[in-house]
Amino acid sequence: NAGVTQTPKFQVLKTGQSMTLQCAQDMNHNSMYWYRQDPGMGLRLIYYSASEGTTDKGEVPNGYNVSRLNKREFSLRLESAAPSQTSVYFCASSRQLSNQPQHFGDGTRLSIL
Amino acid sequence: AQTVTQSQPEMSVQEAETVTLSCTYDTSENNYYLFWYKQPPSRQMILVIRQEAYKQQNATENRFSVNFQKAAKSFSLKISDSQLGDTAMYFCAFMLLRGTYKYIFGTGTRLKVLA
Repeated sequence: NAGVTQTPKFQVLKTGQSMTLQCAQDMNHNSMYWYRQDPGMGLRLIYYSASEGTTDKGEVPNGYNVSRLNKREFSLRLESAAPSQTSVYFCASSRQLSNQPQHFGDGTRLSIL
Repeated sequence: AQTVTQSQPEMSVQEAETVTLSCTYDTSENNYYLFWYKQPPSRQMILVIRQEAYKQQNATENRFSVNFQKAAKSFSLKISDSQLGDTAMYFCAFMLLRGTYKYIFGTGTRLKVLA
């Protein structure tokens, strides 16, 4: 009963390094999302994928790229990490792009020095 | 654009007491959902309760209930018989029922239940 699984749980990077955060869901959901959570702020949407083969920008997409590898997996890539990208990253999924609630992973805490 | 405001950064409540967390939102739309999520120290985001805007009846889930005032654009969460396990960050979220169906989150309220 895994739900949404994110790897890694913690990561420290140096400025300029690249990194891919992995997300997989086993609920046969069509839609997947990447959020970031910063202190004193709610979660903000980075990118989302309404269905396999599609991706779209959210509220704060700059500095990130995503890949919807298949129905289960949705990865987030930082090509050249910056200290401003230090955050906790959450992946979520839902049955489809609709009023269905989203199910979240446990998050990845990413620190960029 | 839609916004969600949680004006109480921190709250505390004695075990077994009742506490109400506030949330207001701003939208010109009529069709939307509202959610409360709980984030314990483990970081996992857990859905607590949701409310459809077209329903006048307030949603309830066991010890959790909402007071939804559509005209006032208010969506407060009441936790009855508070338990130590309710200690967490609570986020209010708005979802517009068209377009991207994305969440707009508030900044959260940190709730501590005291023994």
